[in-house]
Amino acid sequence: KQEVTQIPAALSVPEGENLVLNCSFTDSAIYNLQWFRQDPGKGLTSLLLIQSSQREQTSGRLNASLDKSSGRSTLYIAASQPGDSATYLCAVTNTGNQFYFGTGTSLTVIP
Amino acid sequence: EPEVTQTPSHQVTQMGQEVILRCVPISNHLYFYWYRQILGQKVEFLVSFYNNEISEKSEIFDDQFSVERPDGSNFTLKIRSTKLEDSAMYFCASRDRGRQPQHFGDGTRLSIL
Repeated sequence: KQEVTQIPAALSVPEGENLVLNCSFTDSAIYNLQWFRQDPGKGLTSLLLIQSSQREQTSGRLNASLDKSSGRSTLYIAASQPGDSATYLCAVTNTGNQFYFGTGTSLTVIP
Repeated sequence: EPEVTQTPSHQVTQMGQEVILRCVPISNHLYFYWYRQILGQKVEFLVSFYNNEISEKSEIFDDQFSVERPDGSNFTLKIRSTKLEDSAMYFCASRDRGRQPQHFGDGTRLSIL
């Protein structure tokens, strides 16, 4: 069964800093990997989707990389802002349907 | 931007009762999903639905649960004989054909008393 781990569990940074969130998974035969943002009491907002054949995806200040062979993905956030404060979730699927989620990284960006 | 909508936002039900959670996926999406998140825990997959049938389900999705797409827009999750441990946030998601991202609703918070 796919196991997804995210470190750190919590991160606090001053505004403007660049940061990296980590995600690791046990079964490298993934279909794709998706990064989400979750605000308190809210649903999941899709940030980036990386297909199994891709190495990275970029959207604005966000860049996600994928190293399938080592079972790792990173989410890089450039020039962090207070509005980036949220929980970031990594999820992988082996079939395109069932996603396995990590426990998330709770990010606080201090003004 | 199109979004997945879920109703109600909060449902309080007595233990043993049946509850139906409703979702309106993004129009013309073809794949539909239910997930749950118990407070403080990971988001867990329940079931996926395509072409009017279940395509995958987890071990959580036992006979207590059922899903239905009663018309062209709604996608429902029914939980029979609710238990205290069914209390959780339930998320609906949908995606388009091909290798597209899943889009999630804001969830229904289910509280079993």
